Amino acid sequence: GAVVSQHPSWVICKSGTSVKIECRSLDFQATTMFWYRQFPKQSLMLMATSNEGSKATYEQGVEKDKFLINHASLTLSTLTVTSAHPEDSSFYICSARDIGDGYTFGSGTRLTVV
Amino acid sequence: AQSVSQHNHHVILSEAASLELGCNYSYGGTVNLFWYVQYPGQHLQLLLKYFSGDPLVKGIKGFEAEFIKSKFSFNLRKPSVQWSDTAEYFCAVTGSSNTGKLIFGQGTTLQVKP
Repeated sequence: GAVVSQHPSWVICKSGTSVKIECRSLDFQATTMFWYRQFPKQSLMLMATSNEGSKATYEQGVEKDKFLINHASLTLSTLTVTSAHPEDSSFYICSARDIGDGYTFGSGTRLTVV
Repeated sequence: AQSVSQHNHHVILSEAASLELGCNYSYGGTVNLFWYVQYPGQHLQLLLKYFSGDPLVKGIKGFEAEFIKSKFSFNLRKPSVQWSDTAEYFCAVTGSSNTGKLIFGQGTTLQVKP
């Protein structure tokens, strides 16, 4: 079946630095990928829709300058958390629409900003 | 705006008990509905999905869900739960006119006691 690989699975960074998270579709092409944020014991909140070859579409309230999304190829989308602060600590999950109109999710990235 | 509401936030059952988790959505057009499960420390897995046709959908691990259009509901059921069903369950919806964004409910934590 469709597989989405997300790296890193966890990262600890210092406040003020930037962190890049990669999301790859391994056996299918994904023109659209989605980035979510999940707080402990809470649901997944959609942050943005990543479109191959064009600008990402951000949900209301999400700072596009802080959460930079690049979808340069049909198999790779990246999320860069710029100038990270402790409040950015969270679990970030990507997903891609796969064959059959389903959605495949990455395993998530636990970001801790110290 | 579209939304998904899961009424049960935390459910505790004994093994062999029957399960029903509520899910209601708000969306003005044609919808696709999903139930996902997230086991502790793991990524989201698809339990079942409804696109069209028979409103009673059977998924993996003995789960099923029924789409009732008049009630805007898509409740998840399982006749007899097992300890291994302990997990977080998410209902999600996407519509034909929202660029494929998958919107999640708040999630329900299911704890099955052996």
